[in-house]
Amino acid sequence: DVKVTQSSRYLVKRTGEKVFLECVQDMDHENMFWYRQDPGLGLRLIYFSYDVKMKEKGDIPEGYSVSREKKERFSLILESASTNQTSMYLCASSSITGGDKNIQYFGAGTRLSVL
Amino acid sequence: RKEVEQDPGPFNVPEGATVAFNCTYSNSASQSFFWYRQDCRKEPKLLMSVYSSGNEDGRFTAQLNRASQYISLLIRDSKLSDSATYLCVVNAPYNQGGKLIFGQGTELSVKP
Repeated sequence: DVKVTQSSRYLVKRTGEKVFLECVQDMDHENMFWYRQDPGLGLRLIYFSYDVKMKEKGDIPEGYSVSREKKERFSLILESASTNQTSMYLCASSSITGGDKNIQYFGAGTRLSVL
Repeated sequence: RKEVEQDPGPFNVPEGATVAFNCTYSNSASQSFFWYRQDCRKEPKLLMSVYSSGNEDGRFTAQLNRASQYISLLIRDSKLSDSATYLCVVNAPYNQGGKLIFGQGTELSVKP
């Protein structure tokens, strides 16, 4: 089974703090993604990566950055957390080949509260 | 126009009912289509891929109409455990790094 692991289920941070959200996948997937999900707004793509050290902006990259130094790990960074970044953050990965090409597998999510 | 549009619901149905969800997508170049299921406060999980010929998995049937850019999901004999939000998903055209476009989801509540 594909496993996507996010480092924290719940996180509480203060405004202005630097926040790191970590995501690790164990299926050697090429693609990795970070989303946030808010009530009434659905899933919104923040950043994605199709290879090590490669990154692409999604629909709402402002206030975020990412890092992909190893294939299995994709980190989301909030340089200076703000209250409007309180949300559920979901990481996903997918393969570019095979029977499950393009199927995204999600981690359990990190519920971040910025106070 | 949204890239993927779904009826938001909620759909409230009794156990045993048949319920159908519809979805339209805007870009004819999309090639991969899926239905995901998301339980309350959980992550989305793949329910089924959708193929041009239509496909069935137990009580679930998915259909794709490329000419109309329309996808459907039919659930027969609804169970209480089917209560969830169902997300219609298509791939971004021209395979932009495996990017998927998610609909807002249709909420289903199955009552005893």
